[in-house]
Amino acid sequence: DQQVKQNSPSLSVQEGRISILNCDYTNSMFDYFLWYKKYPAEGPTFLISISSIKDKNEDGRFTVFLNKSAKHLSLHIVPSQPGDSAVYFCAASQSGSARQLTFGSGTQLTVLP
Amino acid sequence: DTAVSQTPKYLVTQMGNDKSIKCEQNLGHDTMYWYKQDSKKFLKIMFSYNNKELIINETVPNRFSPKSPDKAHLNLHINSLELGDSAVYFCASSQRTGGLYQPQHFGDGTRLSIL
Repeated sequence: DQQVKQNSPSLSVQEGRISILNCDYTNSMFDYFLWYKKYPAEGPTFLISISSIKDKNEDGRFTVFLNKSAKHLSLHIVPSQPGDSAVYFCAASQSGSARQLTFGSGTQLTVLP
Repeated sequence: DTAVSQTPKYLVTQMGNDKSIKCEQNLGHDTMYWYKQDSKKFLKIMFSYNNKELIINETVPNRFSPKSPDKAHLNLHINSLELGDSAVYFCASSQRTGGLYQPQHFGDGTRLSIL
């Protein structure tokens, strides 16, 4: 049972345009959400996060939006750059002893020059 | 100055063998994790240790045994390897600071292939 879903396995965007990556979750106990970026043969790298008490968090070109009623979050990258081409994983966690992450299956973003 | 390092990066072995994967972090974190990335690319939690104490043990076969000699190390030993164990295994670490959650830092993974 996938509690975190990324329904788009891939996304192609032109350089300079906005990239929007989407993520849905089913567990209403999740209270913290993260986006990780992963290059081939490397581990996931933390990108940006958001607590459930907020609906938006911005860090430079990256903004994460959270819609709790829809159990949906999205990552906006603007402007997109070729170096942003990677697999993006959405992850969620809930209060507890270890805060383990539940990951989505990832979206491969390709930014075309 | 690698933050979370795993060895080996690649591991090819025969079915039935026993193997270990080592993980070390130099971030001073108190919590370490093992994740498995399967063929469908999902990253799934296997184990977590906090200050050498096991705090998460998901439904993982008994053939998998984590060992944490100190809070900077979390090794994974696998007995009687099976074809289904082929995957990429990621080690991660984070710091628990009261109510604040610090994002997990990941190693580059160990690609295990069972022949």
